[in-house]
Amino acid sequence: NAGVTQTPKFQVLKTGQSMTLQCAQDMNHNSMYWYRQDPGMGLRLIYYSASEGTTDKGEVPNGYNVSRLNKREFSLRLESAAPSQTSVYFCASSELGRASDTQYFGPGTRLTVL
Amino acid sequence: SQQGEEDPQALSIQEGENATMNCSYKTSINNLQWYRQNSGRGLVHLILIRSNEREKHSGRLRVTLDTSKKSSSLLITASRAADTASYFCATDTGGFKTIFGAGTRLFVKA
Repeated sequence: NAGVTQTPKFQVLKTGQSMTLQCAQDMNHNSMYWYRQDPGMGLRLIYYSASEGTTDKGEVPNGYNVSRLNKREFSLRLESAAPSQTSVYFCASSELGRASDTQYFGPGTRLTVL
Repeated sequence: SQQGEEDPQALSIQEGENATMNCSYKTSINNLQWYRQNSGRGLVHLILIRSNEREKHSGRLRVTLDTSKKSSSLLITASRAADTASYFCATDTGGFKTIFGAGTRLFVKA
């Protein structure tokens, strides 16, 4: 039981390049989330998916798109990377998507945009 | 603006001492959770306290909630070097969204 996995672990992009961050969970959870974490700040929600087939914007969605491919997988795409998107990205999942549910986090992807 | 704000931002103590960190929030909440993050890792859930609870224990952790002051505290007793991590409070006002604070970095010296 791997929990939440993310790929890649590290990535360096040039401004304007695109990439997709992958996330998968094997806990049969309904809800999945993408956060970014910047120094001195808490996690900020980018997008979330309350259930398979639905996605909603979080606090900082600009410059990102998401796809809930199936119940297990939730990807985050940067269409045209900018230096302001340099951050550590975490994917998380929870059983039912209620805010009181425990969220289970992946190990993170450290992204640098030059 | 962030809902939860931890205090202090950083804390350094000796092994065996107790560590106390605080979280203040701005609007009424349904629940408050504490998470731990070891360096280079994702967050791990520690404990949840509901708005109608005042205190909760889990092992060496004690969490209190004062809804009149809109604040919570996390106490780690008899700290160990392995407790070195960042600790985040997370609040929810219902619905699907949880809001995380900026965290307290705890360093426990052996």
